[in-house]
Amino acid sequence: AQSVAQPEDQVNVAEGNPLTVKCTYSVSGNPYLFWYVQYPNRGLQFLLKYITGDNLVKGSYGFEAEFNKSQTSFHLKKPSALVSDSALYFCAVRDGGFKTIFGAGTRLFVKA
Amino acid sequence: ETGVTQTPRHLVMGMTNKKSLKCEQHLGHNAMYWYKQSAKKPLELMFVYSLEERVENNSVPSRFSPECPNSSHLFLHLHTLQPEDSALYLCASSQGVWEQGHEKLFFGSGTQLSVL
Repeated sequence: AQSVAQPEDQVNVAEGNPLTVKCTYSVSGNPYLFWYVQYPNRGLQFLLKYITGDNLVKGSYGFEAEFNKSQTSFHLKKPSALVSDSALYFCAVRDGGFKTIFGAGTRLFVKA
Repeated sequence: ETGVTQTPRHLVMGMTNKKSLKCEQHLGHNAMYWYKQSAKKPLELMFVYSLEERVENNSVPSRFSPECPNSSHLFLHLHTLQPEDSALYLCASSQGVWEQGHEKLFFGSGTQLSVL
């Protein structure tokens, strides 16, 4: 069965510094990988996805993610964090079927 | 706005009540989903509908009863719930369940449910 692990409950970073939010996955077959963001009192919003091709995927709001097949990881990154990036981030995986499975989420706190 | 609307935003109910959550999508999608979000737990997939047919019931207790009368509307009927059912219930839609390239989910803002 597919699964997603987000090892950090919270990530703290200073504004202007680079940020990384970690994600590892387990799936049979080729994975479809996603990042979503949730702001307070809102539903999840799509950030980016990896289906195939270049291992570095660029998404919304300056975020990018790097797919590493050997480490089964899909870490979310941003070169320079903004206070407005503070939110709850979810990694998700789909195995080519119709189920999208999410991790528990990582809360990102960016301090001014 | 993502094009997926959920009502009510907040719901408080007793364990003997019957209530319903409503979801409507304005995106022309063919698939709709219910997820349960509890603090510090992975989002839990509950039900999946494709073209108004249920394709997944992820071992959800029978006190949760979904209904999809058409591809734009999805309901979750609740009865005799337990306090541990208190959570944020999220509705989502996608263009389809099988088509490659259309896997992105569009979420509503959720219904925050409290069971007393």
